[in-house]
Amino acid sequence: EAGVAQSPRYKIIEKRQSVAFWCNPISGHATLYWYQQILGQGPKLLIQFQNNGVVDDSQLPKDRFSAERLKGVDSTLKIQPAKLEDSAVYLCASSSQTGSGQPQHFGDGTRLSIL
Amino acid sequence: GDSVTQMEGPVTLSEEAFLTINCTYTATGYPSLFWYVQYPGEGLQLLLKATKADDKGSNKGFEATYRKETTSFHLEKGSVQVSDSAVYFCALGGSNYKLTFGKGTLLTVNP
Repeated sequence: EAGVAQSPRYKIIEKRQSVAFWCNPISGHATLYWYQQILGQGPKLLIQFQNNGVVDDSQLPKDRFSAERLKGVDSTLKIQPAKLEDSAVYLCASSSQTGSGQPQHFGDGTRLSIL
Repeated sequence: GDSVTQMEGPVTLSEEAFLTINCTYTATGYPSLFWYVQYPGEGLQLLLKATKADDKGSNKGFEATYRKETTSFHLEKGSVQVSDSAVYFCALGGSNYKLTFGKGTLLTVNP
């Protein structure tokens, strides 16, 4: 099966600019996650969707970050305006069901650099 | 809240050496436990998992046993290869279905 697709792979912008990332999960996976991975740390969950509804966005900085999954398939994550501390790899993951034992399948991520 | 603590890296080993990466956790309820591996420039791949106490997850020669009494899930491999060089993450799947990750351990295996 095709894996989780993300684009772009790399993005360089200046602070205060805006940026958007795209994710297409594995076909049929209802649950989609966006993570932020800062260099040297483990991924931190930003937002979790179940179909097109938000399950958890408690760690999403809502003053600058937004995400949507309008048709319950692919998703976009936006940052506006970007800050230096947003430099990180943004990972998208999907799973077929929601449950503590369900593995998540990750894309290769988008590496964002803020100048 | 849920948390995962794994041993600080980097870990450098010679090929065919024995590997242990320690992982302990704090959680309410009965979490599932995972090890993920991340190769340079790639996303995370599931290596193995265990969903209840005393379960042993295994894959590609790696093993980890879910120890509820010591709240641990240590990763082991009897004989590492150069191709095992990567960052290894221990993760916990809690009652809120969210994955909580450790900080990762960089493993380098030299020929």
